[in-house]
Amino acid sequence: DTAVSQTPKYLVTQMGNDKSIKCEQNLGHDTMYWYKQDSKKFLKIMFSYNNKELIINETVPNRFSPKSPDKAHLNLHINSLELGDSAVYFCASSPFRGSYEQYFGPGTRLTVT
Amino acid sequence: AQKVTQAQTEISVVEKEDVTLDCVYETRDTTYYLFWYKQPPSGELVFLIRRNSFDEQNEISGRYSWNFQKSTSSFNFTITASQVVDSAVYFCALVSNFGNEKLTFGTGTRLTIIP
Repeated sequence: DTAVSQTPKYLVTQMGNDKSIKCEQNLGHDTMYWYKQDSKKFLKIMFSYNNKELIINETVPNRFSPKSPDKAHLNLHINSLELGDSAVYFCASSPFRGSYEQYFGPGTRLTVT
Repeated sequence: AQKVTQAQTEISVVEKEDVTLDCVYETRDTTYYLFWYKQPPSGELVFLIRRNSFDEQNEISGRYSWNFQKSTSSFNFTITASQVVDSAVYFCALVSNFGNEKLTFGTGTRLTIIP
């Protein structure tokens, strides 16, 4: 019974393709996040949703679009993939906005060739 | 603006030695939270501790202990009697300004425990 799950775990695709990464949490949390970890292990927030509402939208290309169909799911769609998008993408959730105790999913390693 | 500095990029110690990972933070807010996360070789991020700015008490959890000192803006993490399973990258993180809500991570310290 994984708390925060992501699919797929690995994703290899070619430049120019469109791909999605799915995230689900079964913790009953209100807030979910997407982070990007680059090849140097640097972690940076991309987006945050609270009860399906976008609350953080960092400076990321428009090719990245999060979608939250309900508060247990936060998916990340990426259009026209580029080599620089290769990274590990982490989904996280926290109980409510302001709790900050974030629990991370296992990560999705995206490789763009 | 907020910033987290982990000056130690890599540390290696022999098993059973104690090791301290340093974390220095910057924020203009008086209310903030500090965190430590562990990222083992398998890649997942494991939450270790959260500390708020009003609680300067040190915390101990088994072999782990944390020293929070507002005077030096530091939140250091010590592992006593290190074990091979402690080998991982450790991240310190900060969130401040309740309207901001962004968790800012340090660049991480790679800890290797030599058997």
